[in-house]
Amino acid sequence: GDSVTQMEGPVTLSEEAFLTINCTYTATGYPSLFWYVQYPGEGLQLLLKATKADDKGSNKGFEATYRKETTSFHLEKGSVQVSDSAVYFCALYGGATNKLIFGTGTLLAVQP
Amino acid sequence: KAGVTQTPRYLIKTRGQQVTLSCSPISGHRSVSWYQQTPGQGLQFLFEYFSETQRNKGNFPGRFSGRQFSNSRSEMNVSTLELGDSALYLCASSLATAKETQYFGPGTRLLVL
Repeated sequence: GDSVTQMEGPVTLSEEAFLTINCTYTATGYPSLFWYVQYPGEGLQLLLKATKADDKGSNKGFEATYRKETTSFHLEKGSVQVSDSAVYFCALYGGATNKLIFGTGTLLAVQP
Repeated sequence: KAGVTQTPRYLIKTRGQQVTLSCSPISGHRSVSWYQQTPGQGLQFLFEYFSETQRNKGNFPGRFSGRQFSNSRSEMNVSTLELGDSALYLCASSLATAKETQYFGPGTRLLVL
């Protein structure tokens, strides 16, 4: 079935460091791909999305490119801030099922 | 535009009781989905409603049910609560023309004692 695999956390970085969180997927057909962020005690916020191969989603300095050949959607940011500390979820929609399927989440901790 | 709202934000119940959670979608959004988030199982899809009809259902027992009203507001009900039902329940809404792009509410945290 459809699935999403994310790198295990926690990821600990110093402020202004470069961030990469890896995400790969398995799906039939052509799913849409998403990154969501969850701050402590809150729900999920949509960070960015891409709906077809080679699309790049971007928001608030974060970017991810839909790579069909490697079935990946890695999240990147050039310079992280303490305020970026949160749990990041990669997700897909479509393929064999019409629902969001999430990865396990990656905790990012940014130290000043 | 107001976001997705969920009430109540926190609930404490005891085993065997039942509970009803409410979700109001973003204005104009007619699709509402529910998810359960637990440390052990992560985020799991419960069900989706559109135009008062359940359109999709996840792999949860029949104790979990939901409904949607004509104004698109949705409720989910869990009967005969078990300790394992303790979780954050998240509601998400989306446009009918872009149901894959879902916007989440703050969630209802349910603790079953």
